[in-house]
Amino acid sequence: DSGVTQTPKHLITATGQRVTLRCSPRSGDLSVYWYQQSLDQGLQFLIQYYNGEERAKGNILERFSAQQFPDLHSELNLSSLELGDSALYFCASSGTTTGNEQFFGPGTRLTVL
Amino acid sequence: GEDVEQSLFLSVREGDSSVINCTYTDSSSTYLYWYKQEPGAGLQLLTYIFSNMDMKQDQRLTVLLNKKDKHLSLRIADTQTGDSAIYFCAEGDGNQFYFGTGTSLTVIP
Repeated sequence: DSGVTQTPKHLITATGQRVTLRCSPRSGDLSVYWYQQSLDQGLQFLIQYYNGEERAKGNILERFSAQQFPDLHSELNLSSLELGDSALYFCASSGTTTGNEQFFGPGTRLTVL
Repeated sequence: GEDVEQSLFLSVREGDSSVINCTYTDSSSTYLYWYKQEPGAGLQLLTYIFSNMDMKQDQRLTVLLNKKDKHLSLRIADTQTGDSAIYFCAEGDGNQFYFGTGTSLTVIP
């Protein structure tokens, strides 16, 4: 158990819908990272937050957004969902500013029908 | 994004050494990582190496970095069936991280 929790574990929705994925980092970790893992694109870094502020952006679509709240939990919002958005979404947290010790949550499996 | 390449599959016999290779393109990466992913689970950090190091050893794991060729390898000594998993190499600068496609390691008893 990494100490990072993600909810929900599974999500099934239809194209065009909007969903919110939630992540609670390990106690004391200020950094949260979001990743998308799909069969065709592998594991891709989406976005990083540090203590409530966006710190780095990767291959995140404009239809996706994220935020980190004062209690350090984070949410990833996916809107206007497409079939290709079906993937595993992982959140990781780190207590270091370098992100070297990232602890991954179990993931949320999103299926878009 | 940056390109991180790995071979897709590797099979070894229990007790042998496994060597998983990775090539990357971004010479400005500060850190290079190896992660393990077991079925149905998230990624687990195994080890990482600073880009100014050539080698790092941690129990059964040895990481070799050839910065000139942008080649990273992970050697697992005395491979066990519990080592069967997907192994990802990744590069990063502390903010952005790029992962390889993953190498599926199968350990044959």
